[in-house]
Amino acid sequence: NAGVTQTPKFRILKIGQSMTLQCAQDMNHNYMYWYRQDPGMGLKLIYYSVGAGITDKGEVPNGYNVSRSTTEDFPLRLELAAPSQTSVYFCASSYSYLTGGGDPSGGTDTQYFGPGTRLTVL
Amino acid sequence: QKEVEQNSGPLSVPEGAIASLNCTYSDRGSQSFFWYRQYSGKSPELIMSIYSNGDKEDGRFTAQLNKASQYVSLLIRDSQPSDSATYLCAVKTPRSQGNLIFGKGTKLSVKP
Repeated sequence: NAGVTQTPKFRILKIGQSMTLQCAQDMNHNYMYWYRQDPGMGLKLIYYSVGAGITDKGEVPNGYNVSRSTTEDFPLRLELAAPSQTSVYFCASSYSYLTGGGDPSGGTDTQYFGPGTRLTVL
Repeated sequence: QKEVEQNSGPLSVPEGAIASLNCTYSDRGSQSFFWYRQYSGKSPELIMSIYSNGDKEDGRFTAQLNKASQYVSLLIRDSQPSDSATYLCAVKTPRSQGNLIFGKGTKLSVKP
């Protein structure tokens, strides 16, 4: 299994440009997530998806869009890039239930992270 | 009160000592609990998961969960310089829609 993969690893954008960050997982996970992490700060949830065709906003969704047409892929779209979007972006996936506790034997709720995309907007 | 709180550190311990990392959470109904390690410039990687009260040991790592006091801790025995990283606590709460709520992390430095 490749786990969670992300492309590109690095990207420099000019203000106003757009781009798509790609994320794919091969673990048949239902949940997928996009986080951003600014230097010295914690993870902030941008968007998440509980399954193909279903997405929802996280803590910091403004300036981003997502889609989930398949279980495996969860691309993040940046429209009209701004310097405030300079950050490291992590994609993650998990097998989760909406409610209820995790199954210790099944690793439920454990999030697995991709290697990240370092984005600079100048 | 923040949902998941950690002391940001840095926590500095000498090589060979026990490092103790603590995390408190606000929602008493929280369920799954996780510790992740993040090296500088890398993505978070899972260290331990714990779902029920008590201790869970895995090699040099022990996770402790006390739901009555609403805290979860991570002990690292025989700390090594390679353990120097930021440790993130993550909790699944009844209101998190199946997601995990991450603390801001504690930076650990193990001095040789």
